[in-house]
Formats: sequence, structure tokens, C-alpha cells
Amino acid sequence: DSGVTQTPKHLITATGQRVTLRCSPRSGDLSVYWYQQSLDQGLQFLIHYYNGEERAKGNILERFSAQQFPDLHSELNLSSLELGDSALYFCASSVGTSGTSEQYFGPGTRLTVT
Amino acid sequence: AQTVTQSQPEMSVQEAETVTLSCTYDTSESDYYLFWYKQPPSRQMILVIRQEAYKQQNATENRFSVNFQKAAKSFSLKISDSQLGDAAMYFCAYRSPQRTSGTYKYIFGTGTRLKVLA
Repeated sequence: DSGVTQTPKHLITATGQRVTLRCSPRSGDLSVYWYQQSLDQGLQFLIHYYNGEERAKGNILERFSAQQFPDLHSELNLSSLELGDSALYFCASSVGTSGTSEQYFGPGTRLTVT
Repeated sequence: AQTVTQSQPEMSVQEAETVTLSCTYDTSESDYYLFWYKQPPSRQMILVIRQEAYKQQNATENRFSVNFQKAAKSFSLKISDSQLGDAAMYFCAYRSPQRTSGTYKYIFGTGTRLKVLA
């Protein structure tokens, strides 16, 4: 158990809908990262937040957005969902600010868009 | 653009033997980070080993070690005394230098599935 929690574990929704994925980092970690793992795109870095501020952006679509709250939990919002958004979404956390320290991954949220 | 290539989609190794997984990358930067991650059937991603490009010494973590060849842009992972629990998908990743804006790139390879034979 990495100490990172993600909810829900599974999510099934229809095209065009909007969903919110939630992540709680390990106690003491100020950085939260989001990743997408799909059959088509492989593993992709989406975005990194540190203590509420965006630090780095990867291949995150404009239909997706994220934020980190004062209690350090983070949410990834996916809107106007398409079939290709079906994937495993991971959240990770770390102590450091730069994305180079060890990241601890959550178990992921499996999103299925039908 | 930076790329990470894992040319071996699948590898097999006998239990207790040694196996090497290859990874090459392309970058024009001189200061960056490289990682190997393990993803077992449970899907949980686990950091195996990390290498800072400015360090010439190869990183080692117990049975896991890397062969970092900066000039050749190669970052292979050696697993010694392979165990059944090592069976997993292994991903190589590159993290670019951080810009003055604070942003950076984080790129993964396509992965190598390692099977460990009893």
C-alpha cells in the first residue's frame, strides 16, 4: 500500500459526459501528479501540482482539468468524454517540488466510456 | 522532441538468472533524470531505480542496477537473481530539465513485459 488513495476504483459513463476523479496523497507529500494509461497512447504524464499550484503540464487535453485543494487532495475533471478517454488514470504523490523525487502511485481509477 | 524507446516488447528469464532490459532515449539536454518503473499484474506502479544524468556512477538498488551510457543515450536495467515476483511490465521514463517557468516533460517508453520462468 503506497498510502495514496484514489476514488472511485471503477467508473463507467457515456460519451459526452463529465466525471471527476479524486486523489488523496500520502501524508506529508505536497506534490500530486496525474497519469493516463491507455492501450492506444500508453503511459502519459498529464499534470503536476505542488501545494495547490500547477508545476508542469504534459499531454493533458483541453477537455481535462485538474486542481489541488488546500488540504492537498486533488481532482482530475474529464469532460465531453470520448471513447478514446477510456483508460486507467493514476495519481501519484511525492515530497519534492520538481518531479524528480520518488513518486508513490495510487491504485488507479479505471474509466470506461461507452 | 524527446523520445523514449523500449525495443523489447517481451522478455523471458529463468528464475535465479540475470536479465537486461534495454531503453534508449533521445534528447538534446545534458541534465535530466531517468527512471525504471515496475507495473505488476496488480497495476500498481512502483519506482525501481532512478538515475541523474549528471552522475556518472550507475545507480543500484539491491538486485536492480542500471547501465547508463550518456553518450549513447542508453539506460538499460539489469535484474540479477530473478525472482517470480519480478514478473511485471517495466517502463523506462525520461524527465527533462526544469525550465525557468518550472515546467518539464515526463515521457515513458512503451514498456517491456518480463516473464520469469520457474
